[in-house]
Amino acid sequence: AQSVSQHNHHVILSEAASLELGCNYSYGGTVNLFWYVQYPGQHLQLLLKYFSGDPLVKGIKGFEAEFIKSKFSFNLRKPSVQWSDTAEYFCAVTSSNTGKLIFGQGTTLQVKP
Amino acid sequence: DADVTQTPRNRITKTGKRIMLECSQTKGHDRMYWYRQDPGLGLRLIYYSFDVKDINKGEISDGYSVSRQAQAKFSLSLESAIPNQTALYFCATSDRGYYGYTFGSGTRLTVV
Repeated sequence: AQSVSQHNHHVILSEAASLELGCNYSYGGTVNLFWYVQYPGQHLQLLLKYFSGDPLVKGIKGFEAEFIKSKFSFNLRKPSVQWSDTAEYFCAVTSSNTGKLIFGQGTTLQVKP
Repeated sequence: DADVTQTPRNRITKTGKRIMLECSQTKGHDRMYWYRQDPGLGLRLIYYSFDVKDINKGEISDGYSVSRQAQAKFSLSLESAIPNQTALYFCATSDRGYYGYTFGSGTRLTVV
């Protein structure tokens, strides 16, 4: 079955620390990959997405993600987090075979000032 | 106006009641989805529709039904609400290439 797994459920960092959130998926074929962010009390916002081409994708607010096809991974990174990055982060994957966007369990990031 | 509008934004209902959550979109997308969000479980797909005559079950369709009244409207019904259906519900749309997904602001449903 298709699935998306996020390894870290709750991450606590101090401001200026570096961030890496793991995401692995199990799909065959061509996939589209997404990271979404949900700030407290708000709806989902797209951080970045990968469809094809350069596997290193840059998104909004200084986030980036790297697609490693051989590892079925799409990890999210940010060199220096800010208190305002406190939110929940979701990795999501869709494939042209299924047409369904499947989410990981989410990672709650808490950044301490 | 928002591209994807969900109503109501918040709802408290009693166990056993029938309730409908509505979603409308101005994106012109054919594909529409209903998800529920629970802490620690992420967003799980309830139902999805690729066009007005094509409706499919998602991961957790039991206890739910949907209606695609028009290309722009996709409603989710709980025929007899139960407390473990308390969750945040999101509607989403996508284009045919699955390159862009647009989410509504969510409906927070509480079943007491």
